[in-house]
This record gives sequence, C-alpha cells and structure tokens, in this order.
Amino acid sequence: AQKVTQAQTEISVVEKEDVTLDCVYETRDTTYYLFWYKQPPSGELVFLIRRNSFDEQNEISGRYSWNFQKSTSSFNFTITASQVVDSAVYFCALSDRGNTPLVFGKGTRLSVIA
Amino acid sequence: DVKVTQSSRYLVKRTGEKVFLECVQDMDHENMFWYRQDPGLGLRLIYFSYDVKMKEKGDIPEGYSVSREKKERFSLILESASTNQTSMYLCASKRGEFSYEQYFGPGTRLTVT
Repeated sequence: AQKVTQAQTEISVVEKEDVTLDCVYETRDTTYYLFWYKQPPSGELVFLIRRNSFDEQNEISGRYSWNFQKSTSSFNFTITASQVVDSAVYFCALSDRGNTPLVFGKGTRLSVIA
Repeated sequence: DVKVTQSSRYLVKRTGEKVFLECVQDMDHENMFWYRQDPGLGLRLIYFSYDVKMKEKGDIPEGYSVSREKKERFSLILESASTNQTSMYLCASKRGEFSYEQYFGPGTRLTVT
C-alpha cells in the first residue's frame, strides 16, 4: 500500500531563515511520481513540482529546492530565505501505477514570522 | 492554464437539506475527484471518477453521492446534510495517466447548522 508521511505538523520560522519540510513515502512500485503542493490561506492547493522515481537529481526553482533520495524514500522540500508569503500548508503526494488518485500526506503548516 | 471551478466559495445549509456542490474543469481531463479537508485530518477522498458516468468510492463515501453526466462536470451530493459534514470541500481533476498532477479548485466551505 502507498503511504506518505509528513511528520512535521507545524513549523514556525522567522523571516529569512531556511526551512526544510520532510516527506517520507512508501510504495512497492519501481515507477512512481512524487508531488508537492502549497495551500495558502485562500484555500486553493497549488501544484509546485512533480518528480519521477528515475530522476534523483535535486531541483531548484528560485528559493525552492527539492531533495529526492530513493535510499531513504524521502522527498524533502527546502525554502531558502523564507518570506511571510511562504506561510501556507504544504502537502507531499505520491502517485504510482494505475489510474488512481494521488496519496497525500497530512500536510505541514508553515508559519513565517516577520 | 487548467481551470477548475466550484460553484460556491461559501455555503450555509440546514440539517436535512439536500446539498449540491458543483465542479467544472476546462481541460478535458478524464479524472475528477472530491475531497474534504478538516483540521488535523488532511485531505480525505470522498469519491472519484475516471470517466463519464463512472464513479469510485474513496475513503469516506458515507453520506455522499456523486454524478458525472458530462466529462467536464462532477457533482457532489449530500442527500441529507448533517452537522458533521461541515467542512471544506475540494474538487480536483487530472489527465488519465498516473504521472500527471491533480489540479484543484478554490474549495467550498460548507457549514451545516
């Protein structure tokens, strides 16, 4: 069975600090995809990134970076120099073979304090 | 850009009422989903549909039904609303292949009094 665990329920940082959100997943498939979503206070989940299981290269997009490690089944998300606008709930999700919905973690609420 | 729209952002209904939540997507996506989101429980899947007139139960289908008569529209129905169905309801859609991401609507905050 697939499972996504986000052990950090809530994180609070001061503006300009770096912060890492952890995501650990379980799947039996060798081909799968991992995702991160952001849910700002407005409520709509916004897609941030998709990663396939064959590509372990780290990805960087501006202040955001993602570290995918198959050896530890982790797909962690780092925000560098955090800003107040980064305050949101962040969800990690997994999709494996089959026409099935994404499996979501319970989310991590990030609060960035000015 | 993919657009998923939901009929209402906020809705207040009385216990026992029949409630319809509508979701429309404009990208010809095969799959559509309904979730509810409650504090501490994350996203919980209610129902999903991978084709017109097809539906599958999710993790918490009790008290809900769905309808998908057209590819672009997926409706969630609360046959007899109860106070424990007060929640944020999120609709999503995606292309059929498993590799694709889901796109979400803005959500409907439903209050049942």
